[in-house]
Amino acid sequence: TQLLEQSPQFLSIQEGENLTVYCNSSSVFSSLQWYRQEPGEGPVLLVTVVTGGEVKKLKRLTFQFGDARKDSSLHITAAQPGDTGLYLCAGASGTYKYIFGTGTRLKVLA
Amino acid sequence: NAGVMQNPRHLVRRRGQEARLRCSPMKGHSHVYWYRQLPEEGLKFMVYLQKENIIDESGMPKERFSAEFPKEGPSILRIQQVVRGDSAAYFCASSPGLAGGWRETQYFGPGTRLLVL
Repeated sequence: TQLLEQSPQFLSIQEGENLTVYCNSSSVFSSLQWYRQEPGEGPVLLVTVVTGGEVKKLKRLTFQFGDARKDSSLHITAAQPGDTGLYLCAGASGTYKYIFGTGTRLKVLA
Repeated sequence: NAGVMQNPRHLVRRRGQEARLRCSPMKGHSHVYWYRQLPEEGLKFMVYLQKENIIDESGMPKERFSAEFPKEGPSILRIQQVVRGDSAAYFCASSPGLAGGWRETQYFGPGTRLLVL
């Protein structure tokens, strides 16, 4: 069974601080996605990484896919209250199925 | 462009009743996925459908749950004889069905929150 473990589960930080969220597995994934989900809404795709070692930047967010394609990280620089939400990683399993991680709930305090 | 639409947004059922959840994919999308999310957890894959075909239902409980995506109209996730353990948020996602598989972005709807009393 493929599992994706995210850490930390909960994170509360002050506005302006930096943070890193991790997504780890013992399985290899052909691609990995990061989503942000706000209360009462569905997940919204932030990025897809495909190549081992790949780094993608989205404004203050930096995403990295591990060389072995088993893990990924999300780094947020100078966090803002608008970054508050549930961050989910999802690994492509097989042809079309995605395995979702356990989630990291981030709260950024003004 | 309208996104993925789900209704109802909230559904309350008593034990033993039936729940019908509807999903209208984005315009032009022919692939639909259903996921279930329990409180404080990630999403769990349930079923993948194309128009008039169930491609993979490996995540669906063997009993009481069924899904369809007819040629016309929305996709329906049906739960018969609901139990308290069915209480969860159910999300639908759609993709164009052009590139195929994980190469396609899945766009999620806002979800239906089912509460079984």
